[in-house]
Amino acid sequence: DAGITQSPRYKITETGRQVTLMCHQTWSHSYMFWYRQDLGHGLRLIYYSAAADITDKGEVPDGYVVSRSKTENFPLTLESATRSQTSVYFCASSIGTSGKEQFFGPGTRLTVL
Amino acid sequence: GEDVEQSLFLSVREGDSSVINCTYTDSSSTYLYWYKQEPGAGLQLLTYIFSNMDMKQDQRLTVLLNKKDKHLSLRIADTQTGDSAIYFCAEINGNKLVFGAGTILRVKS
Repeated sequence: DAGITQSPRYKITETGRQVTLMCHQTWSHSYMFWYRQDLGHGLRLIYYSAAADITDKGEVPDGYVVSRSKTENFPLTLESATRSQTSVYFCASSIGTSGKEQFFGPGTRLTVL
Repeated sequence: GEDVEQSLFLSVREGDSSVINCTYTDSSSTYLYWYKQEPGAGLQLLTYIFSNMDMKQDQRLTVLLNKKDKHLSLRIADTQTGDSAIYFCAEINGNKLVFGAGTILRVKS
């Protein structure tokens, strides 16, 4: 199906484990973004990517790693999960950087015990 | 600095108008946005306004922009129960969106 998908939709893990959240888009959009949503903070940008093999830090990058070997995929890895990384994670994509073109995935709810 | 602020909660009766307010700090933002998030879903772009405009109307939605005060508002006319959601204000900063914390709109029937 066309669009932007995230997997898994729900994940429970333990402190110290490595976790990878997947994001896939079928539009061949240049830009992809990872946000986390926490109560009282809205959405905060973790990392973004302007194109394959080009990534850059957002507002809250510590503890996260991203890669973009293919245009359509933008995985987010928590190398050693901490409780403070319990959150809802949203992936988004856009043709350019104007917000009116940004499309969001359904989100992944991650709980770190 | 980047800071977008919104009130956290708004409750209205079905059929009334809702007004959600937002203040932003980056006067160079070319676009300002309103996104809607329904329960368990991602964000959807609701509407946006270009910075050289004062007002934009789109069916039941009216966006007002006061650049002098860096104030943005979203008015929803004839609010329906299906409008219950979280509404996010956002500004563009360079090549990134900066979001407010979101306003929870509750519509009572």
